[in-house]
Amino acid sequence: EVQLVQSGAEVKKPGESLKISCKGSGYSFTSYWIGWVRQMPGKGLEWMGIIYPGDSDTRYSPSFQGQVTISADKSISTAYLQWSSLKASDTAMYYCARLERELPSDYWGQGTLVTVSS
Amino acid sequence: DIVMTQSPDSLAVSLGERATINCKSSQSVLYSSNNKNYLAWYQQKPGQPPKLLIYWASTRESGVPDRFSGSGSGTDFTLTISSLQAEDVAVYYCQQYYSTPSTYTFGQGTKLEIK
Repeated sequence: EVQLVQSGAEVKKPGESLKISCKGSGYSFTSYWIGWVRQMPGKGLEWMGIIYPGDSDTRYSPSFQGQVTISADKSISTAYLQWSSLKASDTAMYYCARLERELPSDYWGQGTLVTVSS
Repeated sequence: DIVMTQSPDSLAVSLGERATINCKSSQSVLYSSNNKNYLAWYQQKPGQPPKLLIYWASTRESGVPDRFSGSGSGTDFTLTISSLQAEDVAVYYCQQYYSTPSTYTFGQGTKLEIK
């Protein structure tokens, strides 16, 4: 069974760093892209960027370039999304999702809620 | 970026009636070499991640009830629920996956409720 299991909810202060994770199982982790999606409270879905764990090819949506870092460790089938200095506006639910090239996301993680508040 | 615009923003339909949601892209998402529309529909229920319903504009994902159907080509697309069930209450999003993977974009979402 394909699963993407994300790390738990986080509460952080502005200026702090954070790295959240997404662990894949039940499929060949290195053969699919992993995408990250932001959903701010009460709002829609925003595509942030993707990574191909097979060779760590990483691409960012222009809106998120320079704001976050996407990485992966294929040895443990885990992708990451990290911030070096959080802002209150980073408060959101973050989802990871699996996708193949030229296909939409078919499996999604359960989401990680990040709350940034002083 | 390709901008996706859905209409309406919200919709209330009686149980058993038809629900129709529209999605318009700012440029064509039809790839001429394979004649496929790179357009997907997702359903998101409260507190849950999105669920893929339809891809290639009209292909139902495995396990999706056949009351859900997708149509359209080029820049104009429609998701139709033929007979609304209570469990269909959700927000529905369209997404284009025609552009480079880093710039896939979603519509703003359509909230579907029971009248």
